[in-house]
Amino acid sequence: AQTVTQSQPEMSVQEAETVTLSCTYDTSENNYYLFWYKQPPSRQMILVIRQEAYKQQNATENRFSVNFQKAAKSFSLKISDSQLGDTAMYFCAFMTGGTYKYIFGTGTRLKVLA
Amino acid sequence: GAVVSQHPSWVICKSGTSVKIECRSLDFQATTMFWYRQFPKQSLMLMATSNEGSKATYEQGVEKDKFLINHASLTLSTLTVTSAHPEDSSFYICSARAPRSYEQYFGPGTRLTVT
Repeated sequence: AQTVTQSQPEMSVQEAETVTLSCTYDTSENNYYLFWYKQPPSRQMILVIRQEAYKQQNATENRFSVNFQKAAKSFSLKISDSQLGDTAMYFCAFMTGGTYKYIFGTGTRLKVLA
Repeated sequence: GAVVSQHPSWVICKSGTSVKIECRSLDFQATTMFWYRQFPKQSLMLMATSNEGSKATYEQGVEKDKFLINHASLTLSTLTVTSAHPEDSSFYICSARAPRSYEQYFGPGTRLTVT
C-alpha cells in the first residue's frame, strides 16, 4: 500500500523569505503522480504544483518549485518570496496512474509572518 | 479552468435523519468522481469512488449502507448520509476527474453538522 508522510506539522516563515516543505512517499508502482495542494481557511483545495513520476525535470510554477528525488521517494515543495496569502495548510498527495485515487499526507500548516 | 460545485455548503440535521450532498461538474463531463471526508485539522480520507452508471466502490472501513453514493449522470454525483449521527459530523469534499486525464478538480466542500 502507498503511504505519504509529511513530517512537519507546522512551519512558519517571514514574508519574502523561502521555505521548504518536506514529503516522502512509499510505493512499488512505476506509474504515478505527485501533487502539492494548498487548503486555505475556506477549505477549498487548490492545486499548487504537480509532477509526473516519469519526468526527471523538477516541476516549477512561478514561486513554487519541487525537488523530486525518485530514488529516495522524496518530493519537497519550495516556496520562494513567501507572501501572506501563502498562509494555509499544505498537503502532499500521491496518485497511481491506474486508480486515479489520491492518497494525502497529514499536512503541514504554514504561517507566513509579516 | 474546470469547476466543480457542491451543494449545500453547510447543512445541519437532526440525529436519525438523512441528508443528501450534491457534487456537480459544471463545465466538463466527469466519468469518475471521488468523495472524501475531512475531520478538523486532519487530512482528507478517501471514502469512495463513483463511476457514472455503475455502483460506487467504497474504501475499506466505510459503511456502504450509511454513505449511499449515486452517480446518475456524467455531471452529478450524490452522497447521502443515512440515519446520521453526531459522529458523522465532518467536512465532505468531492473531486471530479476529467475524461482521458488524471486531472481532478475539487469541489468547495460541504460541512455537515448532526445535532
